[in-house]
Amino acid sequence: DMKVTQMPRYLIKRMGENVLLECGQDMSHETMYWYRQDPGLGLQLIYISYDVDSNSEGDIPKGYRVSRKKREHFSLILDSAKTNQTSVYFCASSRGNSGNTLYFGEGSRLIVV
Amino acid sequence: AQSVTQPDARVTVSEGASLQLRCKYSYSATPYLFWYVQYPRQGLQLLLKYYSGDPVVQGVNSFEAEFSKSNSSFHLQKASVHWSDSAVYFCALALLSGSFNKLTFGAGTRLAVCP
Repeated sequence: DMKVTQMPRYLIKRMGENVLLECGQDMSHETMYWYRQDPGLGLQLIYISYDVDSNSEGDIPKGYRVSRKKREHFSLILDSAKTNQTSVYFCASSRGNSGNTLYFGEGSRLIVV
Repeated sequence: AQSVTQPDARVTVSEGASLQLRCKYSYSATPYLFWYVQYPRQGLQLLLKYYSGDPVVQGVNSFEAEFSKSNSSFHLQKASVHWSDSAVYFCALALLSGSFNKLTFGAGTRLAVCP
C-alpha cells in the first residue's frame, strides 16, 4: 500500500532517558532515512541506511544511533536524551538510486523536558 | 557543499490568484531538483522533480516548476491556487553522483491561501 509508518507519534521524555523511535515501510525499499525538522531549518538528515546493517551518518548524527536489522524496519535511538533533541522526527524510504522519490512517514513529535 | 535557499518563509495569496514560490540552489553541476509539500500534521509528499530535458516540469495538482541553470533556480508555480493548497513547501536537491540519494532541503515556505 506504499506506506511509511512511524511509532510513536507523540512522546514526552525526561532529560537523560532513552528514546526509541521506530519506522516501518511496506515497499521493500533499500534506502531509509531519519530526518529531524525544526522551525526555520527545514529537514536535516541524521542517518541514512542503504540496506540491512549498512548505515551511514548524515549531517547531524551526534547524539543519535540507528539500527536496521530488517529491510522493512529502521529504528532511531537516543541514548540519554537532551532538551535540544526536542523536535519532530521523520522517517523516509526510497529505492536505492540517487534522485528517486522519498516516501515520508507522518512524523514523531518528541519533547524532552 | 551544496545548498538550497527558499527566500520567503511565508507567502499569503488569495484564492484564485497565481503563485510563485522561489527556490535557489548552489551546486557546481546540475543536480536533481524536487519540490515536496507538507500538509498539516503529515509527512512530506512529492509534488514534482527535475532531472534533465525540458526545463518546465509538471507535477500533481496543476503545479509546475521551471529550472534555470543560468539563475540556479527552480521556482514553483501555479496558475490558480485553492484554499487546500495551504501547506509548507520544500525545495530540495540531490546530487547526480556521490552522496547516494542524500537530499538537501531548503527551510521551507509556508503558504497561506485566503478566501
